[in-house]
Amino acid sequence: SAVISQKPSRDICQRGTSLTIQCQVDSQVTMMFWYRQQPGQSLTLIATANQGSEATYESGFVIDKFPISRPNLTFSTLTVSNMSPEDSSIYLCSVATGADDQPQHFGDGTRLSIL
Amino acid sequence: QKEVEQDPGPLSVPEGAIVSLNCTYSNSAFQYFMWYRQYSRKGPELLMYTYSSGNKEDGRFTAQVDKSSKYISLFIRDSQPSDSATYLCAMINDYKLSFGAGTTVTVRA
Repeated sequence: SAVISQKPSRDICQRGTSLTIQCQVDSQVTMMFWYRQQPGQSLTLIATANQGSEATYESGFVIDKFPISRPNLTFSTLTVSNMSPEDSSIYLCSVATGADDQPQHFGDGTRLSIL
Repeated sequence: QKEVEQDPGPLSVPEGAIVSLNCTYSNSAFQYFMWYRQYSRKGPELLMYTYSSGNKEDGRFTAQVDKSSKYISLFIRDSQPSDSATYLCAMINDYKLSFGAGTTVTVRA
């Protein structure tokens, strides 16, 4: 399976600031995704990062709050903008490999705390 | 009603016991079924992946899918303390993953 690296692994940020999270894969992949895992909860899909076009966002998530870039087939960024304490979560990148672009594999995530 | 239901536990078993985990789902469009294991402070790690009804075995792990009942299971035989983790079921419709709540498992030495 692909090796997925996320940076930073954790951060503590001030309210109102923004943070950009990077996801690097060691091979070209078609599909990359961003998830949020709130404390003690399961994973929720934020958006699909599309190479060469705008990301596809899930209900409840908007581009102004979570802008995403996908400049090539091995890299994507997620920015969490104008952060509030409610944004304190783990943010995870996943990639789809194999036939039919399945299954998905995950990075170790970025643990974000907002003060 | 959530699309995927999973009892969050926690579940505590003695070493060597069989761990039984399960999920139910409501969306008959789900095509692929997965089990992930997540250790504390790590991302989910894919354990089992299947797309048809029936059993799939990999070492100490057996995944069962019953599409007619909309029910999937994961069995861990000869459980070890290193199996202590949160186990998440997940299902795909198109390319979108829907996760269960996760079951926290502790295997006591």
